[in-house]
Amino acid sequence: EAGVAQSPRYKIIEKRQSVAFWCNPISGHATLYWYQQILGQGPKLLIQFQNNGVVDDSQLPKDRFSAERLKGVDSTLKIQPAKLEDSAVYLCASSLDWAEKYGYTFGSGTRLTVV
Amino acid sequence: GQQVMQIPQYQHVQEGEDFTTYCNSSTTLSNIQWYKQRPGGHPVFLIQLVKSGEVKKQKRLTFQFGEAKKNSSLHITATQTTDVGTYFCASEPDNYGQNFVFGPGTRLSVLP
Repeated sequence: EAGVAQSPRYKIIEKRQSVAFWCNPISGHATLYWYQQILGQGPKLLIQFQNNGVVDDSQLPKDRFSAERLKGVDSTLKIQPAKLEDSAVYLCASSLDWAEKYGYTFGSGTRLTVV
Repeated sequence: GQQVMQIPQYQHVQEGEDFTTYCNSSTTLSNIQWYKQRPGGHPVFLIQLVKSGEVKKQKRLTFQFGEAKKNSSLHITATQTTDVGTYFCASEPDNYGQNFVFGPGTRLSVLP
């Protein structure tokens, strides 16, 4: 089966610019997650979707981050405007039902550098 | 909020030596998962533990869930260079519906 697809693989932007990341989960996975992984740290959940509805966005900095999952399939995460501290790898993951049963399947991530 | 600690932060071993990483929580956990992330890669799901005192094995890897469901360990027997990476535990607090929280990880280096 195809894995979780993410693009772009790398992105370099200047602070205050905007950026968008795209994710296509594994077919049939209803749950989609966006994680932020700062160098040397574990992944931190930003937002969770169940189909096209938001389940948990409590750690999403909503003043600058937004995410959507139209039609319950692929998803985009946007940052506007970017700050230096947003430099990180943004990982998309999907799972069958709740991840507690089957674990998360992660994409390769987008490495964002804000200069 | 829930916090999960992992020790050690780093571990350097000679190829063939054993390795153990520990995951500790101050609160009771519903279950725990382990992931491996190779350098430059993404986390890959290894296993899930659910029951108190549960032990699972995958070839040279042995996973344990503590009796009190507040800690877990991952033990690798006779490490190989392919074991290099960061090992994360991800735990779900004992309140149904909350998402998994990832620990800070243990970075393993294996010297040939």
